Amino acid sequence: GAVVSQHPSRVICKSGTSVKIECRSLDFQATTMFWYRQFPKQSLMLMATSNEGSKATYEQGVEKDKFLINHASLTLSTLTVTSAHPEDSSFYICSDRKAGLGDTQYFGPGTRLTVL
Amino acid sequence: AQSVTQPDIHITVSEGASLELRCNYSYGATPYLFWYVQSPGQGLQLLLKYFSGDTLVQGIKGFEAEFKRSQSSFNLRKPSVHWSDAAEYFCAVAPRVDTGRRALTFGSGTRLQVQP
Repeated sequence: GAVVSQHPSRVICKSGTSVKIECRSLDFQATTMFWYRQFPKQSLMLMATSNEGSKATYEQGVEKDKFLINHASLTLSTLTVTSAHPEDSSFYICSDRKAGLGDTQYFGPGTRLTVL
Repeated sequence: AQSVTQPDIHITVSEGASLELRCNYSYGATPYLFWYVQSPGQGLQLLLKYFSGDTLVQGIKGFEAEFKRSQSSFNLRKPSVHWSDAAEYFCAVAPRVDTGRRALTFGSGTRLQVQP
């Protein structure tokens, strides 16, 4: 399967600061990448769809000004959590979409964000 | 609206025993179907997927799943479970028709515990 990397794998920050998470598609060019959020012992919830060269599409209830997404190249999407609060603490996972039959998604290893 | 149901939150099986994890979906048309596995603190790994054709799909790690249209189900099976199979398993669907939004909809997950 495809390889997706995320950086950092774990980050602890103070309330009010901003944190950037990188998601890289390592073995093919991904025009579309997805950002998910997972709370402990829960399923993944889609936050936004990241489109290369255009604005991201956010799911209902996700604040676009708080969760800034940039997809500047075909292999890199970034999620910036601005003015982080403790309730933003979560596991953030990205995926890329291999176009073609079934549009299979391959997931990164995730980033554990803890906001103090 | 589309939905995915995994009725079993937690399953415990003995090592060497057979396993079946249930997944039912509610969709306008038969979607693409996926099973992913997630180890603690890790991203998701694709086990198998169904697009069309043979309704019995073989995946990695000895897993298989059977698509039953009449029951709107896509149950995951393994004939003999290994201790390393202990993890969280997610069923997911994606639309066949390209609406411009190909994100996955996940079930709530089933946590598998394996007893020695």
